[in-house]
This record gives sequence, C-alpha cells and structure tokens, in this order.
Amino acid sequence: AQTVTQSQPEMSVQEAETVTLSCTYDTSENNYYLFWYKQPPSRQMILVIRQEAYKQQNATENRFSVNFQKAAKSFSLKISDSQLGDTAMYFCAFRGPNAGNMLTFGGGTRLMVKP
Amino acid sequence: GAGVSQSPSNKVTEKGKDVELRCDPISGHTALYWYRQSLGQGLEFLIYFQGNSAPDKSGLPSDRFSAERTGGSVSTLTIQRTQQEDSAVYLCASSFPETQYFGPGTRLLVL
Repeated sequence: AQTVTQSQPEMSVQEAETVTLSCTYDTSENNYYLFWYKQPPSRQMILVIRQEAYKQQNATENRFSVNFQKAAKSFSLKISDSQLGDTAMYFCAFRGPNAGNMLTFGGGTRLMVKP
Repeated sequence: GAGVSQSPSNKVTEKGKDVELRCDPISGHTALYWYRQSLGQGLEFLIYFQGNSAPDKSGLPSDRFSAERTGGSVSTLTIQRTQQEDSAVYLCASSFPETQYFGPGTRLLVL
C-alpha cells in the first residue's frame, strides 16, 4: 500500500516571499501520478498542480512549481511570490497507474501567508 | 463549465437517523469517488464508480454505508443509523482521465 507523508503540519510565510512544502511517499509502482491540492476555509479541494512520474521535467503552474525527485520519492511544492489568498491547507496526494486508483493523501500542511 | 456539485452543504442529524448525501459529477466524467475527511483520520477513500462496472467498495467503513450511481451520473451516499463518529466532511470527486476534481463537500454533524 502507498503512504504519503507531509512532515510540516504548519508553516507561515510573509507575503511576496517564497515557501516550500515537503512531501514524501512510498510506493513500489514505477508509473504513477502526484498531485498537490489546496483546501481553503471554504473546504473546496482545488487542484494546484500535477506530475506524471514518467516525466522528468518538473511541473510548473504560474507561481507554483514542484521539485520531483523520483529516486528519493520526494515531491515538494514551491510557492513563489506568496499571496494572502494562498492561505489554506495543502495536501499532497498519490495516485497509482491503473484506472480507478484512488488518491492517497498526506496529512496536510496548514500554510499561513502573513501581510 | 460547471464543476462537481454536492448537496446538502451541511447536514445536522440525530444519532440513529439515516442520511443521504448527493453528488453531481462534471458532465462527461465517467469515474466518481467518495472520500471522507475527519479530524482524526484525515482524508479516506470510501467508494469508486466507473461507468457501468461494479463499484469498488473497499473503503466503506461499515455496512451502514452504501452508495449508488444512477445512469452513470448522479451518485448518492447513504449512511444508515448514523453514529457520532460519522461526523465528518464527505467529499465527492469525478475524474477524466486521471485527475480528480472535487466538489465542495457535505459537512455532516451527528448529535
């Protein structure tokens, strides 16, 4: 079974600064998908970024980028130019290669962006 | 286009009552998932539907939980004889092909 670990329960960052959220996972699969989701107080789970394990290039979406280290089974999220609206819970999630594979989530990191 | 919708947004019920939670997936998405988010357990998978195939019920915590998906679209999660430990946010997601998009969830409180 896969496991996902987020070792930082809470983090804070000053507005306009850069912050990195950590995520490690354990799997015996070679092909899989990794995601970061954001959950603001409204509780809507919003997709931030996704990474296919077979792609060596790190995914980037505007201010959000990942550092995917497949051998180390590490998948960190970097948020550049942090904004107040980035304040939320962030969940790292793993999905196996097969149709219907469910998401396995980490415990989440609560990020506070301070003005 | 419209995202995943869920109703009700909030539900308060008494212990022992039955509740039904509804999920309307994104049009064209053939896969639908239910998850539960609770303080003590984090985010847990409950059940998965794919087209007309038999659902994967491996995450359902007890036989008080059941779900159906009618016509390959709307899904209903039913909890019978609710217990206080069922209090949680119930999230629905649909996917195409492998990225899951979530609804706003139903917050269930069992008194």
